[in-house]
Amino acid sequence: SQQGEEDPQALSIQEGENATMNCSYKTSINNLQWYRQNSGRGLVHLILIRSNEREKHSGRLRVTLDTSKKSSSLLITASRAADTASYFCATTPGANSKLTFGKGITLSVRP
Amino acid sequence: GAVVSQHPSRVICKSGTSVKIECRSLDFQATTMFWYRQFPKQSLMLMATSNEGSKATYEQGVEKDKFLINHASLTLSTLTVTSAHPEDSSFYICSARDLGQGALETQYFGPGTRLLVL
Repeated sequence: SQQGEEDPQALSIQEGENATMNCSYKTSINNLQWYRQNSGRGLVHLILIRSNEREKHSGRLRVTLDTSKKSSSLLITASRAADTASYFCATTPGANSKLTFGKGITLSVRP
Repeated sequence: GAVVSQHPSRVICKSGTSVKIECRSLDFQATTMFWYRQFPKQSLMLMATSNEGSKATYEQGVEKDKFLINHASLTLSTLTVTSAHPEDSSFYICSARDLGQGALETQYFGPGTRLLVL
């Protein structure tokens, strides 16, 4: 069964704008990760945030985690056309546990 | 960085035949690899966890006799779709954990294999 639920399911923005994607999950977690998938390709790991962390940055990416609300957000600043892809959140209940993916968000960045 | 390859990237086969997909960790050792299945515009669904030197652990609803997994070495896992049927057509993705990394949570994904069964 799927743990994460992302919203919106689809997002279309203009190049240069910021994109915010949200993920909610149901059970307690050890960490939450965000992945990107270009059409017909494998997944690229973007960022991991642990359950005791609240915010993390990596380049143009900013991830927040609110364990009380069981939610996370991924912010991509100054978006580029190359950011067009599907984005998935994934959670693990334990350190060595399997990943459970959300349904994904399709981001389209218009040049 | 850690690289995972899959072969083939695309395969078309006739109904009733078997297809083998390879997943390799190129620059690291992986005691655990995972096999996922993804239908168009849907999320990844974990099929099984492949453990080096032992039997794979299958998720509920996944037929172990149909999807044979072999993890013979620390860098190679194979998924064989036996007696494939059109409903097995899908995108199959593997991932691997880097044994040498402290961050055991991070999985590295292969580029996927597109299977089309006619």
